[in-house]
Order: sequence, then C-alpha cells, then structure tokens
Amino acid sequence: AQRVTQPEKLLSVFKGAPVELKCNYSYSGSPELFWYVQYSRQRLQLLLRHISRESIKGFTADLNKGETSFHLKKPFAQEEDSAMYYCALSRPGAGSYQLTFGKGTKLSVIP
Amino acid sequence: NAGVTQTPKFQVLKTGQSMTLQCAQDMNHNSMYWYRQDPGMGLRLIYYSASEGTTDKGEVPNGYNVSRLNKREFSLRLESAAPSQTSVYFCASSGLVSWETQYFGPGTRLLVL
Repeated sequence: AQRVTQPEKLLSVFKGAPVELKCNYSYSGSPELFWYVQYSRQRLQLLLRHISRESIKGFTADLNKGETSFHLKKPFAQEEDSAMYYCALSRPGAGSYQLTFGKGTKLSVIP
Repeated sequence: NAGVTQTPKFQVLKTGQSMTLQCAQDMNHNSMYWYRQDPGMGLRLIYYSASEGTTDKGEVPNGYNVSRLNKREFSLRLESAAPSQTSVYFCASSGLVSWETQYFGPGTRLLVL
C-alpha cells in the first residue's frame, strides 16, 4: 500500500529564510507526486507536480527516487507563504486517480 | 466557470440524523471524489467515482453512501450521523490522467452533536 509521510506538523521560519518541507513516500510503482496548498479560509489547490518540473511562487520540488522523497523548497520565505501544505501521491486505479495525502505541514512565516 | 461547488457550507446534526452533501462541477471532468479532513490526519478519501454510473470505496467509506447522479453531480449521504463524522468534507474532480490536477470545492463543515 502507498503511504505519504510529512514528518513535521508545524514549521516556523523567519521571513527571508530558506524553507524546506519534507515529504517521503512509499509506493511500489512509479508515483506521480504533488504538493497541494491550503491558505487560510481557502480551498485546497495544486501548488506543483513533479511531472511538470515547474517552479510556482518560488517553490520547487525534486523527486528523489533513491530516497523516495519529494521535498518542497523555497530559498526565501515570504509572509504570504504561511499556509497548510500537503504532499500527495497519485496511483492509477480503475480509470480514476486517487490521491493519497500526507497529514500536512503547517508553515508559519514570522515577519 | 464556478469550478467545484458544494452545499451546504456548514451543517449541524444530531446523532442519528441523516443528510446529503451535494457537489457539482462544471469542468466536464469524468472523475469525482469525496474526502474528509480532520486535524492531524490530513485528507482521507471516502469514495470516488471514475465515471458516471460507477462508484468505489476509498480509505474510510464506513457510514457513508454516494450517488453519481450524472457527470456533473456527486453526492455524499450520511444515513445515521455519528459524532465521529464531525469533519470538513471536500469534493474534488479531475480528468482521466494520473498526473492531472484535482480541483477542490470549498468544503462543508459538519458538526454532529
């Protein structure tokens, strides 16, 4: 069975400091990995996905198959980055692609 | 486009009461999902529907039923609510490819007394 682990429930950093939110996964096949973000009082939305190899709002994430990790990084944190971040893994199944979420990390950026 | 909409936004139930949470999407997506979000637990999949006319259990289906009414609508029913079902419920939809984005609704906050 697949599993997504986010070891930190809460991460506090100062504005301008680097940020790294950790995500490890276990899955026997080839995973599709995502980071979703939920800002206060807003709906969950996609931040980025590994297949796109994109940088969104200054965030990047690299899939490391050897370490089974997909850590989210940003060189300089901003106050508007404060939010709940979820790492998620997708596996194919019956024509529908279920997401398995980690328990989330709450990022707090201190002014 | 409204994206994914959910009703109601907030509901209080007494133990044993029943209710249906409604979800609709206007993105012509085939797949739809119901999740619950609990503190410290992340989001857990309750049920999903790969296409109109099909539904399957997710991680935590007990105490729930679903109906895929048509391609747009996917409802979640609590037949006899229990305090353990107090949660925030999210509906989502997506296309057919594993790397596609799932689009989420605004959520329904349910309190069962």
